[in-house]
Amino acid sequence: RKEVEQDPGPFNVPEGATVAFNCTYSNSASQSFFWYRQDCRKEPKLLMSVYSSGNEDGRFTAQLNRASQYISLLIRDSKLSDSATYLCVVNPNNNDMRFGAGTRLTVKP
Amino acid sequence: GAVVSQHPSWVICKSGTSVKIECRSLDFQATTMFWYRQFPKQSLMLMATSNEGSKATYEQGVEKDKFLINHASLTLSTLTVTSAHPEDSSFYICSASPSIVPYNEQFFGPGTRLTVL
Repeated sequence: RKEVEQDPGPFNVPEGATVAFNCTYSNSASQSFFWYRQDCRKEPKLLMSVYSSGNEDGRFTAQLNRASQYISLLIRDSKLSDSATYLCVVNPNNNDMRFGAGTRLTVKP
Repeated sequence: GAVVSQHPSWVICKSGTSVKIECRSLDFQATTMFWYRQFPKQSLMLMATSNEGSKATYEQGVEKDKFLINHASLTLSTLTVTSAHPEDSSFYICSASPSIVPYNEQFFGPGTRLTVL
């Protein structure tokens, strides 16, 4: 089983749609969780951290379910500029990070 | 925010040559830096963890004699791909964290695209 698993997609949605990505992780002792965004041929950039209580940043909402070892990212009112690959990232200890393969999103006019 | 630079941004070399990639944290000190490799349409794969003043910790399957890592200062880590071959062609990305615990965020360099002919 992979350490971090994501649905690769692609997700093709119209502007304004709501889309949700899921991610599962295998290490129950994982300490922290993130969603990164990666544009084509660019480095990943932090989108948001994921807290146990769930957190929201504008149109983006992240949820964590430790019991099910599951993380989600919800994007509301999708914009064309949201088109990218979204990486689920898990920190299994206090140092390194493990990346999911990413979920590709394309928002169409 | 914290800035990490990489140099060069892209490099083309002949098979059998060695290539050095530099990773610098520009406005913070990084005790630990990380080196990743990403093949097309695949995820980032951690190659090694680079600790300032000590030997790097390599992930399983990564040849430490082929991918030489040096972390001589708190702001600079280098990755040298020795005797590069076409299968080493990839996108190499470094990252650095200005903190250790509890929720350390990593800042990524812009990456180095290596093409080995």
